[in-house]
Amino acid sequence: DAKTTQPNSMESNEEEPVHLPCNHSTISGTDYIHWYRQLPSQGPEYVIHGLTSNVNNRMASLAIAEDRKSSTLILHRATLRDAAVYYCILRDGRGATNKLIFGTGTLLAVQP
Amino acid sequence: AAGVIQSPRHLIKEKRETATLKCYPIPRHDTVYWYQQGPGQDPQFLISFYEKMQSDKGSIPDRFSAQQFSDYHSELNMSSLELGDSALYFCASSPLRPNEKLFFGSGTQLSVL
Repeated sequence: DAKTTQPNSMESNEEEPVHLPCNHSTISGTDYIHWYRQLPSQGPEYVIHGLTSNVNNRMASLAIAEDRKSSTLILHRATLRDAAVYYCILRDGRGATNKLIFGTGTLLAVQP
Repeated sequence: AAGVIQSPRHLIKEKRETATLKCYPIPRHDTVYWYQQGPGQDPQFLISFYEKMQSDKGSIPDRFSAQQFSDYHSELNMSSLELGDSALYFCASSPLRPNEKLFFGSGTQLSVL
């Protein structure tokens, strides 16, 4: 599985946008970019995923660089409930299973 | 909506004892995944099952075994428990279609004393 690199931690203020970066310079053509987050004392939770085009859903937006070597998860208006560890994960779209291999994510702190 | 159910939520065992963790996937999800998360660590993939067959294997110790039953629920059996097995154990489920998202349970907190 290709590796991703994320900052260990980031801080944001409530109701401001947050941009969480992820580098994946060894991404292959069939790797999808997945984002999950883990709130304290809870299981990981799906946020968003994409292949080449930018993606939007009710939780967040995913901006993917043209060369696909990096991506950014965008939370448009951070709330206190968004404080969590955010994981950027590459998963081969041809994979026989949908297992996720977690790396070291970004701990997002949201200040009121 | 129904979620992934794990039981028990908390389990306390002593060294060398055995433990069984149970996972009930979301209805119509045929694939189950087990993860271990130690204190301050990221989730580590242990094993997965599809249609009652092991589909993938990660860093699962030989002392651990798992299976998936005909009703798709899964059990993780842990023997000769060690202090280092103390962790949060998550189960997740998904359909096996490509790129399906995983739904995680709330986990079982295992403490080995």
